[in-house]
Amino acid sequence: SNVLTQPASVSVAPGQTARITCEGNNIGINSVHWYQQKPGQAPVLVVYDNSDRPSGIPERISGSNSGNTATLTISTVEAGDEADYYCQVWDSSNFHYVFGTGTKVTVL
Amino acid sequence: EVQLLESGGGFVQPGGSLRLSCAASGFAFRSYLMSWVRQAPGKGLEWVSSITGSGYNTYYADSMKGQFTISRDNSKNTVYLQMNSLRAEDTAVYYCAKSQSRWHGNSEVYWIEPWGQGALVTVSS
Repeated sequence: SNVLTQPASVSVAPGQTARITCEGNNIGINSVHWYQQKPGQAPVLVVYDNSDRPSGIPERISGSNSGNTATLTISTVEAGDEADYYCQVWDSSNFHYVFGTGTKVTVL
Repeated sequence: EVQLLESGGGFVQPGGSLRLSCAASGFAFRSYLMSWVRQAPGKGLEWVSSITGSGYNTYYADSMKGQFTISRDNSKNTVYLQMNSLRAEDTAVYYCAKSQSRWHGNSEVYWIEPWGQGALVTVSS
């Protein structure tokens, strides 16, 4: 079964780079998607299919996926990036979404 | 602009029932897989159920089979979630979700865009 493990929290200073990992068995063969959720708001898609960005998402947000780890990278972190981030894959065998455990990003 | 507007949330006693609705607009509703995802207070995202565009096929998280029923009315561009025998642990914000898909290798994969604003369901005595 798909179990996606993320670090509970990541702290980063403004202007630095935040890397959020999503670990799963052979996740590199999957298509991974990432969501940002700010307090009291619905999640928003920030990366789909490993590395594509929806319109309106800045280039400083990027994704990669290889081996057993997918990574969401936020460069030049801003205060507005403070949020919870979730990875997600699709379980095609059981036809359902699988979400990661979530990571809280704190901007120092 | 794609919009998903949930309604029907509220306060219910344990053992009670509630039906959530999600009115969709701005896209060809009948062509898309629609889903419900929930988030308990302070917790992560949990997939609840999905329904194909035709409505013929439905899928549920194991823990919710037999308790929740997803349906859709393509003439009204609306998807529903009927929730029965509610328990305190069903307390959560329930999000309506429109799926996007792409072929990845030899299988189709799905992600969510966009999400509705959420409907809060509180189960308590």
